[in-house]
Amino acid sequence: DAGVTQSPTHLIKTRGQHVTLRCSPISGHKSVSWYQQVLGQGPQFIFQYYEKEERGRGNFPDRFSARQFPNYSSELNVNALLLGDSALYLCASSRGTGGTEAFFGQGTRLTVV
Amino acid sequence: RKEVEQDPGPFNVPEGATVAFNCTYSNSASQSFFWYRQDCRKEPKLLMSVYSSGNEDGRFTAQLNRASQYISLLIRDSKLSDSATYLCVVRDTGGFKTIFGAGTRLFVKA
Repeated sequence: DAGVTQSPTHLIKTRGQHVTLRCSPISGHKSVSWYQQVLGQGPQFIFQYYEKEERGRGNFPDRFSARQFPNYSSELNVNALLLGDSALYLCASSRGTGGTEAFFGQGTRLTVV
Repeated sequence: RKEVEQDPGPFNVPEGATVAFNCTYSNSASQSFFWYRQDCRKEPKLLMSVYSSGNEDGRFTAQLNRASQYISLLIRDSKLSDSATYLCVVRDTGGFKTIFGAGTRLFVKA
């Protein structure tokens, strides 16, 4: 079975631009979460979607938005990019919520110049 | 105060050593607890869930103390391949918000 897949793997953008990151969960998983990981830090929670609805949001500005599609894939959108948005963006999928195990994709490394 | 705090690292230990990592969390309503392992420039992978009764998986033992809001991970007989960053993870009631600690770096030396 395919694991969690994220695209693109690497991306370079200019300050002020917009970016869309994509995630396909493991087949049968209905929950997708997004995280931002800066070098040397743990992943920071951005959003969780379950059954196509936003169920959780971390402390990120409104420039960050996401959605989940009927096939449970997800997009993370970031507007008006700042240098500080440079990070590894991780997507994780799980069957449900609560104590279910989350499986991570390999991430998208975003560099803002 | 951070929602999840971990021991500062790095831990440098010889092969065969026993090493313990600690983690505290601030939200008493937290419901689910995990330890994840992250290798350099790789994605985090689940090492083990943490249960109130404590649980063991081979050389790894996890403990949870809800009263003290404290989680621990014990690694016995360390191997070179255990070198990684260990992330403490706490999920809130309902499971809709997952908080990672900053991670503790472990180096196991021959």
